[in-house]
Amino acid sequence: DQQVKQNSPSLSVQEGRISILNCDYTNSMFDYFLWYKKYPAEGPTFLISISSIKDKNEDGRFTVFLNKSAKHLSLHIVPSQPGDSAVYFCAASQETSGSRLTFGEGTQLTVNP
Amino acid sequence: EPEVTQTPSHQVTQMGQEVILRCVPISNHLYFYWYRQILGQKVEFLVSFYNNEISEKSEIFDDQFSVERPDGSNFTLKIRSTKLEDSAMYFCASSPTGTSLTQYFGPGTRLLVL
Repeated sequence: DQQVKQNSPSLSVQEGRISILNCDYTNSMFDYFLWYKKYPAEGPTFLISISSIKDKNEDGRFTVFLNKSAKHLSLHIVPSQPGDSAVYFCAASQETSGSRLTFGEGTQLTVNP
Repeated sequence: EPEVTQTPSHQVTQMGQEVILRCVPISNHLYFYWYRQILGQKVEFLVSFYNNEISEKSEIFDDQFSVERPDGSNFTLKIRSTKLEDSAMYFCASSPTGTSLTQYFGPGTRLLVL
């Protein structure tokens, strides 16, 4: 199942700099996108979402950008903090209550002090 | 802040045995889900549940799996006859209806089938 793909398995950034995590999707039926953060031995924690009617959504240090024509979204974290070190999952669904989430592989972000 | 809870956190079972994984979704949520993550693989959708019935299931969710909401708070996943390949982290999630489509996940149950 390659409908949602995160091509970078890992990313390392310095504290205070910007982290950019990328995600691509192939299914044009997806119209709602989410980012989750996951620590080892814990469940995914919701970070931020975006509907396909928008191209940007911001919440504090986190901003998600959506490029529908390219079927690409990205998560920007600025400034990055050591506590942001975790695996970040991109997920996509149809904008209907109860729709399944389709996840990417995840990107391990390491923020170095 | 309300959260999804799951029990047990770890379960070890013998192949062929039945297991029941339990979840307490967030209290005012109406959609419930099970996902699993086999080690080194993606998080995969298993089933969604609404209004006391399955609303969608994946091809993974075959006849050996079943879900139930036995009372007003619990949501369970039963695996009737476990196989080695059922070893995975199993996550329960819930979401409200209305304008919020976000699914909130529990901490997971690590199932090991020997």
